[in-house]
Amino acid sequence: DSGVTQTPKHLITATGQRVTLRCSPRSGDLSVYWYQQSLDQGLQFLIQYYNGEERAKGNILERFSAQQFPDLHSELNLSSLELGDSALYFCASSVGALVFGGEQFFGPGTRLTVL
Amino acid sequence: KNEVEQSPQNLTAQEGEFITINCSYSVGISALHWLQQHPGGGIVSLFMLSSGKKKHGRLIATINIQEKHSSLHITASHPRDSAVYICAVSSSYNTDKLIFGTGTRLQVFP
Repeated sequence: DSGVTQTPKHLITATGQRVTLRCSPRSGDLSVYWYQQSLDQGLQFLIQYYNGEERAKGNILERFSAQQFPDLHSELNLSSLELGDSALYFCASSVGALVFGGEQFFGPGTRLTVL
Repeated sequence: KNEVEQSPQNLTAQEGEFITINCSYSVGISALHWLQQHPGGGIVSLFMLSSGKKKHGRLIATINIQEKHSSLHITASHPRDSAVYICAVSSSYNTDKLIFGTGTRLQVFP
């Protein structure tokens, strides 16, 4: 158990819908990262928050948005869902920046299926 | 061409064999990460290194910055090492954004 929790574990929804994925980082970790893992594209970095502020952005679609709340939990919102959004979405957390030796701890992931 | 390339894509081994997985990258980096993804999907960070060599149990990771290459070695492999091993780099201009390789699927048979 990494100490990072993600809910829900599985989510099945229809095209055009909107969903919210939730992540609670390890106690004391200020950074939260979101990743998407699809069969055809592998793991991709979406976005990072540090202590409530957006810090780095990857290939995140405009239909997707995220935020980190004062209690440090984070939510990833996916809207106008398409079949291609079906993937595993991972959240990870670290104490600080990775380059300063911060280790990332991954949550168990949310499997999103869009029908 | 991907910025991070791994080889081989798939690897099978007999228990006890010495395993090497390779990672080459084409961008400037501040660090390189090795991750392990279990068959159930969970991901564990194994190493983060920016130079030299690190060892943890039967796992050894090395990096050659000049050649832009890293290797992950597993000594005395065991069936429980069966997993996907993923190389990722932190780019030198955006240190917290990871760029991932496509992974190496390792199966170790008893």
